[in-house]
Amino acid sequence: QSALTQPPSASGSPGQSVAISCTGTSSDVGDYNYVSWYQQYPGKAPRLMIYEVTKRPSGVPDRFSGSKSGNTASLTVSGLRAEDEADYYCSSFGGSNNLVFGGGTKLTVL
Amino acid sequence: EVQLVESGGGLAQPGGSLRLSCAASGFTFGSFGMTWVRQAPGKGLEWVSYISSGSPTIYYADSVKGRFTISRDNAKNSLSLQMNSLRDEDTAVYYCTRKVGDWFLDYWGQGTLVTVSS
Repeated sequence: QSALTQPPSASGSPGQSVAISCTGTSSDVGDYNYVSWYQQYPGKAPRLMIYEVTKRPSGVPDRFSGSKSGNTASLTVSGLRAEDEADYYCSSFGGSNNLVFGGGTKLTVL
Repeated sequence: EVQLVESGGGLAQPGGSLRLSCAASGFTFGSFGMTWVRQAPGKGLEWVSYISSGSPTIYYADSVKGRFTISRDNAKNSLSLQMNSLRDEDTAVYYCTRKVGDWFLDYWGQGTLVTVSS
């Protein structure tokens, strides 16, 4: 049950686009289209932003998009806004009846 | 409105026990799988356990297997996590979450803090 690999930090200026990567293995990210992304503000519960690699729940701005290539999934935030500054976590079905998370990425809006 | 409200957190000694509860409302609780996810102070998220909606299928993370027990009472719209043989590394905020489809978590509670310390 190894954690997925995310960069610890990412940043961008307002209006720019930023991509956050999430690298797993052929047993999790690479084998299933069950990647999700969560946004978390300090002291708050996580919020689902993307599920099944590319789908957005109702209420999530279309500035947030997801993709996957091989063992690496990505979350792209376009048209960065100040309120996008938060921690972002990816997750994937682990293939052995478990869920694995990434270590998290702190997104800073400069 | 979907609501998940955790309770039962607090201070426990190493080797001790604690029971967490999650009260669910705003949806048909018995129709959804539920999970517990935890977050150690300043750290990332870690999946802990899952219980299915029906004749329960149950899974645990290796880190808690044999020490934690997940259960649910569909009549009371309630999810529980019995934590025994607690260790320092179990210190975390524990979140109750609703699982939908193939392993994504669409609603989260506010979390309850468990501190294991002597």
